[in-house]
Amino acid sequence: GNSVTQMEGPVTLSEEAFLTINCTYTATGYPSLFWYVQYPGEGLQLLLKATKADDKGSNKGFEATYRKETTSFHLEKGSVQVSDSAVYFCALSGGNAGGTSYGKLTFGQGTILTVHP
Amino acid sequence: GAGVSQSPSNKVTEKGKDVELRCDPISGHTALYWYRQSLGQGLEFLIYFQGNSAPDKSGLPSDRFSAERTGGSVSTLTIQRTQQEDSAVYLCASSRRLAGRTDTQYFGPGTRLTVL
Repeated sequence: GNSVTQMEGPVTLSEEAFLTINCTYTATGYPSLFWYVQYPGEGLQLLLKATKADDKGSNKGFEATYRKETTSFHLEKGSVQVSDSAVYFCALSGGNAGGTSYGKLTFGQGTILTVHP
Repeated sequence: GAGVSQSPSNKVTEKGKDVELRCDPISGHTALYWYRQSLGQGLEFLIYFQGNSAPDKSGLPSDRFSAERTGGSVSTLTIQRTQQEDSAVYLCASSRRLAGRTDTQYFGPGTRLTVL
């Protein structure tokens, strides 16, 4: 079945530091890949997504590139802010989920990011 | 426009009692999903609705869990004879198309269930 493995946290950075959160996946076929973010006290929201190989998703200064050859979708940001402190989840849908549940999301364990001033 | 709403936001119950959790998806969204977020298991898929039918119930952890959806809109997740291991945040999400793998799922704020 599908699975997602993401970098364990917590990750603690100073403001303006470079961020990378690693994410790799296992799936056959052509999954779509997502990064969701959960800010303190708020619900899950989509940060960015990529639906085919070599696509780059970007939003709010964050980027991730769908690499089929390495089955990865690493999240990066060049200069983090205190307001980026949150839990980040890598997820996929499709692939070998099969049947009619192509939309079902499989999540990684989440990475807690804390950014200090 | 209005997002996905869930009620109650918090529910505390005693072991052995039944609970009902409600989800109101975004208007016009055909697909509806339930997930569970717990410390030990992370975010897990529970059940998926396509319209009013549930073609994938594979994530429901036991037969104490059931869900229905009426009118292609509101969904209710019912947990019977609650156990302490049922304590978690229950999340509902909806998306526009039928089981589209590329679609964005929009999540509600969740219901935090605590079983004493």
